[in-house]
Amino acid sequence: EPEVTQTPSHQVTQMGQEVILRCVPISNHLYFYWYRQILGQKVEFLVSFYNNEISEKSEIFDDQFSVERPDGSNFTLKIRSTKLEDSAMYFCASSEIGGLRTDTQYFGPGTRLTVL
Amino acid sequence: GNSVTQMEGPVTLSEEAFLTINCTYTATGYPSLFWYVQYPGEGLQLLLKATKADDKGSNKGFEATYRKETTSFHLEKGSVQVSDSAVYFCALSVQAAGNKLTFGGGTRVLVKP
Repeated sequence: EPEVTQTPSHQVTQMGQEVILRCVPISNHLYFYWYRQILGQKVEFLVSFYNNEISEKSEIFDDQFSVERPDGSNFTLKIRSTKLEDSAMYFCASSEIGGLRTDTQYFGPGTRLTVL
Repeated sequence: GNSVTQMEGPVTLSEEAFLTINCTYTATGYPSLFWYVQYPGEGLQLLLKATKADDKGSNKGFEATYRKETTSFHLEKGSVQVSDSAVYFCALSVQAAGNKLTFGGGTRVLVKP
């Protein structure tokens, strides 16, 4: 069964450093998402992406964050200058359809980001 | 705005016990409702979903019915197994809100043999 994959599984970085989290969505999916879960808190929506541009972003997704689909398979989340409060589990998800039509989102296993 | 409230855990049960996890929601628009499960060390997996009122989602012995009148989507399983130990997340999405998921806080379930 096709699945969403994410690398690395765990990333440790120093405050102020740039990190790139990588995701490979399911191959025929067109909508991509990033969510995060700070330890002990809810899973929160960060951003959705379709047709090579951001569809929607949350208040959390400020100028320090960016997303990119550099090729036909990868979908990346970049944090330019990490802060301690960016420590969280980051989940990538994809869906076949989306936007104004409801569809199931399939999640990757997550990348645990630890900022020291 | 949209929000999901689910019962806090942990919920500790014996094998073969009946499980209920309550979930209520508020939404602007007509939501679709989901239950996701997270097993230890793994990502979020869709367990079941319902897209309109009175629909019942079911999978792996779990069921949840979309109750519009009570804005609820409670998860039930008649006889749990140790392998059902996980964190369960209730979530919704609204078409007018671009399909993003809004999650509840998660309920940890521990099933003891």
